Formats: sequence, C-alpha cells, structure tokens
Amino acid sequence: SAVISQKPSRDICQRGTSLTIQCQVDSQVTMMFWYRQQPGQSLTLIATANQGSEATYESGFVIDKFPISRPNLTFSTLTVSNMSPEDSSIYLCSVPEGTSGRAREQFFGPGTRLTVL
Amino acid sequence: AQSVAQPEDQVNVAEGNPLTVKCTYSVSGNPYLFWYVQYPNRGLQFLLKYITGDNLVKGSYGFEAEFNKSQTSFHLKKPSALVSDSALYFCAVRDIKASGNTPLVFGKGTRLSVIA
Repeated sequence: SAVISQKPSRDICQRGTSLTIQCQVDSQVTMMFWYRQQPGQSLTLIATANQGSEATYESGFVIDKFPISRPNLTFSTLTVSNMSPEDSSIYLCSVPEGTSGRAREQFFGPGTRLTVL
Repeated sequence: AQSVAQPEDQVNVAEGNPLTVKCTYSVSGNPYLFWYVQYPNRGLQFLLKYITGDNLVKGSYGFEAEFNKSQTSFHLKKPSALVSDSALYFCAVRDIKASGNTPLVFGKGTRLSVIA
C-alpha cells in the first residue's frame, strides 16, 4: 500500500491569509485527489490532480480559491486562499491503489486540520 | 449519478455485543463497494471491499460486510465489538463501469461508540 504524508498536520490561520498543504507519496501515482472533511460531515471531493495537466475541480470549487500544483508523480500541493472561518476543515490527500483495476481502493494521507479564526 | 446513504449518524453498542453499521447505495449499473474507518486525528483506513462473487466479504480487524443487491445495501458487521472499534466509519461506492482512477463517492459517515 502507498504511504502518504501531509504537511502541516494542523494549523491555525487568520482570516484573509493563505495556507499551502503538501502531500507526498512514497510511490509514483498518476492521479491524486484532494478532499475536504468539514466538521461532522462527509468527505467532499475538491479536485483531481493529474500529473502533467491542469487539475479538474468539482462543482462548487474553483482554482482561484484552491489552486493545486502537481510538479511530479509523487507530490502535490493544495493552497487554500483568502481563508475564512468556513474553510475550517480537515483536508485529505488520496491516491488510488495501483493493482486492482476498476475495483481499486484509495489510500489516504493523515489529513491537515485547518482552523481559521 | 452515484450516491451512498448511511442512515445513522451514531451507533452505540456494548462491548462484546454484535455491531452493524448500515449503508445503502445507488448506482446506474453494478457497484464496487468499500468500507473505511477513521480513528481520531487519523486519515481514513481501508477495511474491505466488495467486487463480485461471495456476498459476504471479510476484512481487517474482524469486520465483515454483506452485499445485498435486492436491497442495494452493504452493511458492515462485527460479531463482537471492542472498545477500540470506536471510530467514524465511511461507506463508499464506485460504478463498475467507471475507471479505477475515478474517485470514490462517500457516505456521510457513522460514528460508532462501543461502551465498556
């Protein structure tokens, strides 16, 4: 299974500032996913980051607010821009498992817990 | 469109008793179904998945899940609950026609509390 690390593990930020979250995978992966988990709610997909192309954003999420970089096959960043208290969430990086074809599960990083004051 | 429903926000069970966490799904075709567990301050951990074949799937930590196509359900079960099973549980689905790189669709989660 892939080992995924995220930095920072948590942060407390001021309204109007930006935070960049890093995701590092111990193996090369084509696709990486970024999810948001708001308090007491499910995981919501923010975007899919495919190395070598622009990220694909889900409805309700825009590149200006959540710019994503994918410089190589093991690393991605998600920036939360111009933060407001509504952005307080856990942000999770995820990658598909590599061998099971259409039935592959996903592996998740430990998450970044963001609190915006 | 794919979706997952977890009808219970919270499930409480006494230690040693059997536990069930419910999940129903909706896909246009046939599903691949998954269960994940999230312990406090941790990421999601994969427990088990249904692909095809035997409707009873066994996974990690003594958990199992039963696929029921007629009821479009995939309930998570364990014969004897442990206090350490207390966590947040997520059911997820992907249509079998979708690429393996298609992200999973998750339910809202069910918090399991096992009481000693």
